[in-house]
Amino acid sequence: GDSVTQMEGPVTLSEEACLTINCTYTATGYPSLFWYVQYPGEGLQLLLKATKADDKGSNKGFEATYRKETTSFHLEKGSVQVSDSAVYFCALSLTNTGNQFYFGTGTSLTVIP
Amino acid sequence: GAVVSQHPSRVICKSGTSVKIECRSLDFQATTMFWYRQFPKKSLMLMATSNEGSKATYEQGVEKDKFLINHASLTLSTLTVTSAHPEDSSFYICSARDNWQEQFFGPGTRLTVL
Repeated sequence: GDSVTQMEGPVTLSEEACLTINCTYTATGYPSLFWYVQYPGEGLQLLLKATKADDKGSNKGFEATYRKETTSFHLEKGSVQVSDSAVYFCALSLTNTGNQFYFGTGTSLTVIP
Repeated sequence: GAVVSQHPSRVICKSGTSVKIECRSLDFQATTMFWYRQFPKKSLMLMATSNEGSKATYEQGVEKDKFLINHASLTLSTLTVTSAHPEDSSFYICSARDNWQEQFFGPGTRLTVL
């Protein structure tokens, strides 16, 4: 079935370190891929997305490239800040399932000064 | 982007009572809304798909008589947790889909059942 597998956390990094959170997916069709961020006590906010192979989504210094050959959508940032501390969810959406979302388990990131 | 609100943001209730959570799309019409439940340190689990003017579609394992969903208008869906028990304590999140098939998530409602 359709699913998302996400790197387990928690992840703790020092400020200005590089970040990579791995995400791979299994889908029966051609999904759109998303990264959502959840700050403490809040709901989900869309961070970035990509709708087709080789697309790169980017926002706030975060990037992720839709890799069909490796069924991956890894999240990267070159220099993290304390304000990036949050839980990050990888997700996919398929039009043939009414755009239902399938979420990964989330990766908690803590950035220390 | 489009805005989805939820009310209340937090609710504490006694065991056995019912709680209603509202999900509103503030600046767009949503024929379809989704309700998710998030357990502590876990991912979001889809509970049901709410379609305006028709019955909700529940995911396997979700009790439709316990989690009543009503989508009476194009901007409002409600989730009522009936006869709530402590195990129903959770973070409930809704999302709304616009005419371009994009989904926007609400800020969530923290339910605590004592």
